[in-house]
Amino acid sequence: DGGITQSPKYLFRKEGQNVTLSCEQNLNHDAMYWYRQDPGQGLRLIYYSQIVNDFQKGDIAEGYSVSREKKESFPLTVTSAQKNPTAFYLCASGISWGGLRRTIYFGEGSWLTVV
Amino acid sequence: GQQVMQIPQYQHVQEGEDFTTYCNSSTTLSNIQWYKQRPGGHPVFLIQLVKSGEVKKQKRLTFQFGEAKKNSSLHITATQTTDVGTYFCAASHNDYKLSFGAGTTVTVRA
Repeated sequence: DGGITQSPKYLFRKEGQNVTLSCEQNLNHDAMYWYRQDPGQGLRLIYYSQIVNDFQKGDIAEGYSVSREKKESFPLTVTSAQKNPTAFYLCASGISWGGLRRTIYFGEGSWLTVV
Repeated sequence: GQQVMQIPQYQHVQEGEDFTTYCNSSTTLSNIQWYKQRPGGHPVFLIQLVKSGEVKKQKRLTFQFGEAKKNSSLHITATQTTDVGTYFCAASHNDYKLSFGAGTTVTVRA
């Protein structure tokens, strides 16, 4: 969706190398998320952040790391410890409707292939 | 892991026919959302349901939230080729995580 920029769109890396995926949003959203999608599969939550300098592990955080030093930026590092890193990575930012209600908007995604 | 289950996983529909996809949870949901992902694209927000028994319509799409707030459905009438894609439901329970179902992938035969 407009306002969320992921880069690069396609990335090839050798096995054993760390790689960082960029995610920037200009929507002034407090919450940001990283999801992983494997071919023909659903979305699995890697990490999420509700405010600057704070983030929580999602369901599949092992082998990944994030930082949230600025409200608009939430980069994801895929480390060499991630056993099957080849996937489609989706960044999202969220707007609060009050309480726990969130609607999130996705970037266009980054395809990571590890060879 | 996933907190919402979607069925069916695949739906092959004749153009012009109706179909329904379902989203179920074993626990009460604070709200449920639906997203559509076109082939090769990224998920796009369709709608959010909050109230028990809520029904919302978007043209040929009808979304419903169950009375117990544990299930939801998306019904599409008169399916068109533009309806092709994967429809995801997403829900938050008692925290700020938004968990997605596995999706229903819809294909349409003309």
